[in-house]
Amino acid sequence: GAGVSQSPSNKVTEKGKDVELRCDPISGHTALYWYRQRLGQGLEFLIYFQGNSAPDKSGLPSDRFSAERTGESVSTLTIQRTQQEDSAVYLCASGLGTSGGAEETQYFGPGTRLLVL
Amino acid sequence: AQSVAQPEDQVNVAEGNPLTVKCTYSVSGNPYLFWYVQYPNRGLQFLLKYITGDNLVKGSYGFEAEFNKSQTSFHLKKPSALVSDSALYFCAVRDPFYGNNRLAFGKGNQVVVIP
Repeated sequence: GAGVSQSPSNKVTEKGKDVELRCDPISGHTALYWYRQRLGQGLEFLIYFQGNSAPDKSGLPSDRFSAERTGESVSTLTIQRTQQEDSAVYLCASGLGTSGGAEETQYFGPGTRLLVL
Repeated sequence: AQSVAQPEDQVNVAEGNPLTVKCTYSVSGNPYLFWYVQYPNRGLQFLLKYITGDNLVKGSYGFEAEFNKSQTSFHLKKPSALVSDSALYFCAVRDPFYGNNRLAFGKGNQVVVIP
């Protein structure tokens, strides 16, 4: 079946502009996660959705970052007034979100490569 | 909070030789441990996970990993490496003690399999 998809695959923007990144999770997956991967580093957790609510948004680095999810499906990550340090690959993952969710496997999309000039 | 250490930046191995990628973890409770592989310009692919039970876990593409609680390690192994195994490997841990679902990732190990 179809995996997690993300768009755009690449985004180049100017410092100060807003960007929106989109994630389409695997159908039926109620859990959705956003991570950031800076060059040469591991993944950094940003936010977790269970359904349309976000019980854990503690990883968002500043108030310029926000995310929403609608219809227990698509999610958008918005970065306002982008800065050069926001340049990274933004990865989305989804999971079944079943009870005992700590055991669940997260399935990742290909990522959006963001470059802020 | 949970954390993972992958002490080596790069692992070089000759094709056909055993491959080991090291991972140690730190958690408050019993860990849930995962390995992912990332090929260039692609997302992470799930390889295997340890939740409970047998300490030796078998996963995709001939990989396995051994959970060692006393050494707080979860090293990834493959008996005979292929050139196509050259990629970036990430170890990750989730600590159910904290009641959240986030994964904490190591910085990754670049594996280079030499023909």
